[in-house]
Amino acid sequence: KAGVTQTPRYLIKTRGQQVTLSCSPISGHRSVSWYQQTPGQGLQFLFEYFSETQRNKGNFPGRFSGRQFSNSRSEMNVSTLELGDSALYLCASSSRVMNTEAFFGQGTRLTVV
Amino acid sequence: SQQGEEDPQALSIQEGENATMNCSYKTSINNLQWYRQNSGRGLVHLILIRSNEREKHSGRLRVTLDTSKKSSSLLITASRAADTASYFCATVLTRNSGNTPLVFGKGTRLSVIA
Repeated sequence: KAGVTQTPRYLIKTRGQQVTLSCSPISGHRSVSWYQQTPGQGLQFLFEYFSETQRNKGNFPGRFSGRQFSNSRSEMNVSTLELGDSALYLCASSSRVMNTEAFFGQGTRLTVV
Repeated sequence: SQQGEEDPQALSIQEGENATMNCSYKTSINNLQWYRQNSGRGLVHLILIRSNEREKHSGRLRVTLDTSKKSSSLLITASRAADTASYFCATVLTRNSGNTPLVFGKGTRLSVIA
C-alpha cells in the first residue's frame, strides 16, 4: 500500500497570502487528522475528519480550515498568513477514528516571509 | 496545552547501550502511543499500549504503563546509530463525548553515538 502523501513538500508564501495543503491518506483509511509542528509549541492538533465530517477541532483561529472529500483526501487552508504560521504541517490517516495507530505523511514545510 | 511530558528532553548515549525515555500525563487515557521522528520528517508509529495493559514489547522496544502514576516509559535496548531521532509519546484521552485525537508531548531527542 502507498503511504500517506502530502503535497507540496515545501512552500514559501508571503504574509497575507493564503495557502492550501493536500493530503492523500492510505487507501481504505477514512480518518484524516492534521497537526502543526513548530520548535516552540511542538505538535499541535488542528482538525480530524472522518467520512467527510469534522469530528474534532483544535484551538486554532478561524484562519485555519479544512475539509475532506468523498475519496477521503483532505485539504487544509490557511488564510491571511502570518509569520507565526511557519511550521511543518503533518497529516495522519487511520482506518478508524484517531485513537488507533496513525500513519503520518512526510509533511509540508511552510515558510511565511 | 501539552498532555504528555517526556523526560529527559535530550539523551545522548553510546551505541549498544540502552535508552530509557519517560512520559507523564495528566488525565485518564484510553491508550498511549510512542512515535519516532527523524529530523524534519513524518512520524512513525512504534507501539500502542492500552490503559488496561502494563507492558508491551516490540523487537528492541519495551513500553510500560503505570496508570496510577500516570506515566509510561520507552526502553530501547542495544541502541544503534540509526535509532537517533526524536521520540514522542501521544495520549488518547477518555471523554464522555468519545475519545480525543492524539495529544503529543514535546519529545525526547535521542542521539546514539557510534
